[in-house]
Amino acid sequence: QKEVEQDPGPLSVPEGAIVSLNCTYSNSAFQYFMWYRQYSRKGPELLMYTYSSGNKEDGRFTAQVDKSSKYISLFIRDSQPSDSATYLCAMAKSGANNLFFGTGTRLTVIP
Amino acid sequence: DVKVTQSSRYLVKRTGEKVFLECVQDMDHENMFWYRQDPGLGLRLIYFSYDVKMKEKGDIPEGYSVSREKKERFSLILESASTNQTSMYLCASSAPGQGNYEQYFGPGTRLTVT
Repeated sequence: QKEVEQDPGPLSVPEGAIVSLNCTYSNSAFQYFMWYRQYSRKGPELLMYTYSSGNKEDGRFTAQVDKSSKYISLFIRDSQPSDSATYLCAMAKSGANNLFFGTGTRLTVIP
Repeated sequence: DVKVTQSSRYLVKRTGEKVFLECVQDMDHENMFWYRQDPGLGLRLIYFSYDVKMKEKGDIPEGYSVSREKKERFSLILESASTNQTSMYLCASSAPGQGNYEQYFGPGTRLTVT
């Protein structure tokens, strides 16, 4: 079993829709949770960063962490064509240098 | 603006060739990483380095080696390229510190081994 599981999609939604992206994980040692966005032919860039459980909001983006269920989510409100990208979840253990990534979900927002 | 650069965007090599992929960061980061990214498998860590001349194996180090002679530069070496090493290679860097796990990525090198 992979430590981080993510539905690869692809996911297509109309412009303006609410998008929900999810990851599950198996290792309770993960304390830091991230979402990266990767546009085609580019490297990933950090979108959201949360520590432990709870919600974090940044504009149209909301990240949720439920450590009891080992489940994290990224919500995108009022989705735009410019949100079309691959979204990768990533997690880290306290004191460790490396990240554990999901496989990524490819999102297309149709105008 | 933070910057991680990789020496080539696209590379085509023949089976058996020795391949060097270079990565340079200008953020004075201690940590540097090499990943490969394949469809359905996501990002897999090959090697990382937390200091000059230091290296740690990641999840898939077989067939690869690394070199870090200077803080800003981290090289990935394919000793004898094989077709199953055709992939997108991504370099990343980060600064150590409690709660600081953000990694900055380069644009990637798409390597094709024929």
